[in-house]
Amino acid sequence: EPEVTQTPSHQVTQMGQEVILRCVPISNHLYFYWYRQILGQKVEFLVSFYNNEISEKSEIFDDQFSVERPDGSNFTLKIRSTKLEDSAMYFCASSERSATNTEAFFGQGTRLTVV
Amino acid sequence: AQSVTQLDSHVSVSEGTPVLLRCNYSSSYSPSLFWYVQHPNKGLQLLLKYTSAATLVKGINGFEAEFKKSETSFHLTKPSAHMSDAAEYFCVVNHGGGGADGLTFGKGTHLIIQP
Repeated sequence: EPEVTQTPSHQVTQMGQEVILRCVPISNHLYFYWYRQILGQKVEFLVSFYNNEISEKSEIFDDQFSVERPDGSNFTLKIRSTKLEDSAMYFCASSERSATNTEAFFGQGTRLTVV
Repeated sequence: AQSVTQLDSHVSVSEGTPVLLRCNYSSSYSPSLFWYVQHPNKGLQLLLKYTSAATLVKGINGFEAEFKKSETSFHLTKPSAHMSDAAEYFCVVNHGGGGADGLTFGKGTHLIIQP
């Protein structure tokens, strides 16, 4: 069964360092997303991406964040200068189309710890 | 604005007994509703979804949920719990913003199965 894969599963980084979280969406999907979950809090939307550009982003997704689809298979989230409050589980998701009832397929997450 | 409330952060049941995970939502639009499950070190897996068709929705692994508009509820049930059901369960609403960027998550319910 096709699945979304994320690497690494865990990442520890020092405050102020840049991190890149990687995702391989399902191959025939066209819409890509990043969500995050701070420990003890809800899963929150960060950004959606379609046709090589951001289609929507939340207020969390400030200038420190960027996304990229560098090739035909990878979808990355970059945090330029990490802060302690960026520590969270980051989920990548993809969907075949954009519609109210679209099922999003999620990866297993990357746990980012900023120290 | 939309929101999702999962009324229980933890639910503990004995193996073989019924499971009830409660979810209430609010949405300005006709929502689509989802239940996702997350097993340890795994991604978010779709259990079932409601998309304005039948109000009683059957999902994988014997789970089902009933959409009750008058009560704004979408509770998840299973007649007989199995040890493998132990996981984190998320109720999710898509308010119709287009694709999965409209997803609003509940805080999650941790289901514990006692032998």
